[in-house]
Amino acid sequence: KAGVTQTPRYLIKTRGQQVTLSCSPISGHRSVSWYQQTPGQGLQFLFEYFSETQRNKGNFPGRFSGRQFSNSRSEMNVSTLELGDSALYLCASSLESNVNEQFFGPGTRLTVL
Amino acid sequence: GQQVMQIPQYQHVQEGEDFTTYCNSSTTLSNIQWYKQRPGGHPVFLIQLVKSGEVKKQKRLTFQFGEAKKNSSLHITATQTTDVGTYFCAGPGQAGTALIFGKGTTLSVSS
Repeated sequence: KAGVTQTPRYLIKTRGQQVTLSCSPISGHRSVSWYQQTPGQGLQFLFEYFSETQRNKGNFPGRFSGRQFSNSRSEMNVSTLELGDSALYLCASSLESNVNEQFFGPGTRLTVL
Repeated sequence: GQQVMQIPQYQHVQEGEDFTTYCNSSTTLSNIQWYKQRPGGHPVFLIQLVKSGEVKKQKRLTFQFGEAKKNSSLHITATQTTDVGTYFCAGPGQAGTALIFGKGTTLSVSS
């Protein structure tokens, strides 16, 4: 079975721009979660999508948004980028729930200049 | 709010020495999970513990879940250079909305 894939792997943007990241979960997995990983804050939960609906949301500003398509693929968008948004953005999928075993993708390394 | 804390933050050992990382939650957890992230990699699931006092072993790794289901430990016997990485514990948030991750223990091993 193919693992979780994320594109692009690396991205450089400037402040004020917006960015869209993509994630394809493991086939058959319906729950897709997004995490932000930084050296200072560690792994922080952004949101979870299940059956094309946002089921749970972390404590991030509205600049961070996402969606899920009927094939379970998910995208997250960050608008009006800030320097502090520089991070590794990880997508994780699971069969049904985001509090059970998570299968992480390789991540997208976003640098905001 | 609910917190999951890990100590130590960093640990350096000589190859062959043992290593332990500790995880403490501010609230009772329904389960605790452990992940390993190699340098430059992504977190990979190691194990999930569910029962109070549960102990599970995977080769040289021993995982424990405390009796009160608020703490856990990961012990590695006779470390090898392949054990290098950051070990995270994670537990479900109180509302069951997401996993809350500890900040991890980064293990380095010199041969």
